[in-house]
Amino acid sequence: DAGVTQSPTHLIKTRGQQVTLRCSPKSGHDTVSWYQQALGQGPQFIFQYYEEEERQRGNFPDRFSGHQFPNYSSELNVNALLLGDSALYLCASSFFGRGTEAFFGQGTRLTVV
Amino acid sequence: GQQLNQSPQSMFIQEGEDVSMNCTSSSIFNTWLWYKQDPGEGPVLLIALYKAGELTSNGRLTAQFGITRKDSFLNISASIPSDVGIYFCAGQLEQGAQKLVFGQGTRLTINP
Repeated sequence: DAGVTQSPTHLIKTRGQQVTLRCSPKSGHDTVSWYQQALGQGPQFIFQYYEEEERQRGNFPDRFSGHQFPNYSSELNVNALLLGDSALYLCASSFFGRGTEAFFGQGTRLTVV
Repeated sequence: GQQLNQSPQSMFIQEGEDVSMNCTSSSIFNTWLWYKQDPGEGPVLLIALYKAGELTSNGRLTAQFGITRKDSFLNISASIPSDVGIYFCAGQLEQGAQKLVFGQGTRLTINP
């Protein structure tokens, strides 16, 4: 049983560019949440998707958007990249309403230069 | 926004020693969680606490949900080399909500 898988594992982008990160949830899970983890900090909640809709959002600008597909996989899109967007982006999956039982992926390390 | 203050930020101990770290908040949390993160990996759940005053163990790990619902601690007994890593507390404000608020982490280093 595969856990949460994220791709790519590492990515380097230039300021102003756009990036798409991908997440496949653990088998059976229907909810995906995205977190940003800056170096030396704890993860910060970006948003959560369930039934292909954004259900909850953290304090992140509109440059951060997402999508969930019918197979529950999800994408995180970031437009107009800033240097400060450099971070580890984590995907967590769970059953809806059971966020305390979420499983995290290994993350995508994004570097903006 | 909500913040969790986790302390200490780092710990350097000898193998076999006991470890204690804690987390406090100005907000009341419905659930407290403790995670461990190894380099290049995502956080892994160690212990989940659902009731004020609850004391829960997982092997050598013990955690408690504070009576005020604004704090929690994690103890590790008889530390071993594989305990090295970063430990995070996290809280859930609303039951059933997906959003978790994380502390800044405690980096544990063990000298053999």
